[in-house]
Amino acid sequence: DAGVIQSPRHEVTEMGQEVTLRCKPISGHNSLFWYRQTMMRGLELLIYFNNNVPIDDSGMPEDRFSAKMPNASFSTLKIQPSEPRDSAVYFCASSPYPRRGNEQFFGPGTRLTVL
Amino acid sequence: QQQVKQSPQSLIVQKGGISIINCAYENTAFDYFPWYQQFPGKGPALLIAIRPDVSEKKEGRFTISFNKSAKQFSLHIMDSQPGDSATYFCAASQETSGSRLTFGEGTQLTVNP
Repeated sequence: DAGVIQSPRHEVTEMGQEVTLRCKPISGHNSLFWYRQTMMRGLELLIYFNNNVPIDDSGMPEDRFSAKMPNASFSTLKIQPSEPRDSAVYFCASSPYPRRGNEQFFGPGTRLTVL
Repeated sequence: QQQVKQSPQSLIVQKGGISIINCAYENTAFDYFPWYQQFPGKGPALLIAIRPDVSEKKEGRFTISFNKSAKQFSLHIMDSQPGDSATYFCAASQETSGSRLTFGEGTQLTVNP
């Protein structure tokens, strides 16, 4: 069974450009989470979806960030315009909740560098 | 109310020693306490988890100790090995909030050969 798939794995862009990160959750999972990880702030929850509906986006830093989940097998996190302080590793995770309890399965992450 | 505090920030242990990482929480509604392990360049992965109806859970060399009255839980790694070198995150959640997890700040463990 394939795990959570994220693309691209690495992204280098210049300040002001639009960045789109993509995630394919594990088939059958109905919860999806976007996290950002930095040395300074650790692992931060940005937004999570349940059955494709955004439940809590209070962690989204500002209006430059937006996330969508058009169907159960795909989600995007978009940053427009990007800034150097957005440089981080972005993780997508999915969960089969309420089956198998509260476990989240993380993807390999996208390392974003904004110059 | 939603925070989970983790310590230490970093830990260096000799091979064969015991690694201990501690977490404290504030929200008494939390009812699920997992530990995640993250290797460099990888996403976090579930290592072991406990619910508050038991005070200890052991899986191989990894043990969670849970103290409900103190609102604390800890991860013990017995016979630590260099392959255990990773970042460890504690977390907590409550059933009514679905599978949303509140993570601790992380502990970078280094096990020297």
